Amino acid sequence: EVQLAESGGGLVKPGGSLRLSCVASGFTFGSHGMNWVRQAPGKAPEWVSSISGSGTYINYADSVKGRFTISRDNDENSVYLQMNSLRDEDTAMYYCARGREWLAYFDNWGQGTLVTVSS
Amino acid sequence: DIQMTQSPSTLSASVGDRVTITCRASQSINSWLAWYQQRPGKAPKLLIYKASTLESGVPSRFSGSGSGTEFTLTISSLQPDDFATYYCQQYNIESRTFGQGTKVEIK
Repeated sequence: EVQLAESGGGLVKPGGSLRLSCVASGFTFGSHGMNWVRQAPGKAPEWVSSISGSGTYINYADSVKGRFTISRDNDENSVYLQMNSLRDEDTAMYYCARGREWLAYFDNWGQGTLVTVSS
Repeated sequence: DIQMTQSPSTLSASVGDRVTITCRASQSINSWLAWYQQRPGKAPKLLIYKASTLESGVPSRFSGSGSGTEFTLTISSLQPDDFATYYCQQYNIESRTFGQGTKVEIK
C-alpha cells in the first residue's frame, strides 16, 4: 500500500522559513516523480512543485519560484520542500503527492501538513 | 496558465440520482484531464485520468468523457459516500491547474 506522510508544518511569521518533509513507503520511490500540492482554506488545490525520480528535473509554479526549493533523498524515501520568504498567501494545507507519470496527474496523496503564515 | 472552469459550483442531488459535472479548459488540452474526489478534511483522491480511464478500485458508477476543451464527470447512481467536492485538473502543460470545484450536496 502506498503511504505518504508529511511533516514540518506550523505557524510562521511573514518573511520566515519552513522545511516540509514527506516520507514515502509501499512503492519503489526512485521510480516516481514527486510533487507538492497546496490547498488554501476553502479553495481548490494548487500545484506547487515537482521533482523527477532521479532528482534531475525540477519544476515550480510561478507563485513560488525563487522562494521554494524541492529536493529528494532516494536512500531515505523522502521528498522535501524548503520554503523561504513566506507570505500570507502561502497559508495552506501542503500535500505530498506521487506522480504516476512525469508532469501528469497525482495518483496518491498524503494527509497533508498545515502551514500558517501570520504575524 | 490554462484556466479550468467547472459547472455547477454546487449541485444538490438525492441518493440514486444521475449526476453530471462539466469542466471546460481555456484552450485545448487533448485528453490530458484528471478528476478527483475530496471529502471534508481529507486529501483529494484520484478517480479518473486521461479524461475517461477509471483509476483502479474506483466504482464503475463513475465515468468521464470529453476531449479538447470540454469534459464531463458522471456518477450514474449517486451513493451516500459520493457527497463530496469534485475537482478536474489538466496536465497538458507542466503548470498543472485545477478547476474551482463542484460540491455535491444532499438534496
